Amino acid sequence: EAGVVQSPRYKIIEKKQPVAFWCNPISGHNTLYWYLQNLGQGPELLIRYENEEAVDDSQLPKDRFSAERLKGVDSTLKIQPAELGDSAVYLCASSLQLTEEQFFGPGTRLTVL
Amino acid sequence: QKEVEQDPGPLSVPEGAIVSLNCTYSNSAFQYFMWYRQYSRKGPELLMYTYSSGNKEDGRFTAQVDKSSKYISLFIRDSQPSDSATYLCAMSKGGSGTYKYIFGTGTRLKVLA
Repeated sequence: EAGVVQSPRYKIIEKKQPVAFWCNPISGHNTLYWYLQNLGQGPELLIRYENEEAVDDSQLPKDRFSAERLKGVDSTLKIQPAELGDSAVYLCASSLQLTEEQFFGPGTRLTVL
Repeated sequence: QKEVEQDPGPLSVPEGAIVSLNCTYSNSAFQYFMWYRQYSRKGPELLMYTYSSGNKEDGRFTAQVDKSSKYISLFIRDSQPSDSATYLCAMSKGGSGTYKYIFGTGTRLKVLA
């Protein structure tokens, strides 16, 4: 069974540029999460989807971040414009409904210069 | 004060040692308690989870939860160099509309051959 797929794995951009991350969850998992992980820190939730619905986006900085999950499968997280402080690893995870076991992708490492 | 506290380490032990990793938390509403392992440049991987208080064993790993003290532990017996990674505790509370899943900062473990 394929795991959670994320692309790109690495991205380097200059500040004020836009950037987008893509996630393909495990087949059949209807709950999808985007996390931000800074160096030496644990993952912090940005947004949680149940199917197509964003049920928890309270920690998403909506002035520059946006996300979508079309047809309840793949998801895209976008930052526009990027700031220096956005440099981090962006992790996508999925789970069968709301369970304690989340399956993580390898993450996208973003560097903003 | 963070809801979940975890000593960041690093923790260095010789091969074969028993390792004890710990987290404390402040909110008694947490009901599920998880331990993830994260290798460098990889996403977290769930090791085990427990519900409420008690012990759970899986091979060389034992998870303990003491809700009265708001304290959870992960023990690794006969530690191996391949156990060298960052260990993240996590805990969850609430139903669909109020669900929260919080990670600790992670403890870096190095097992020396």
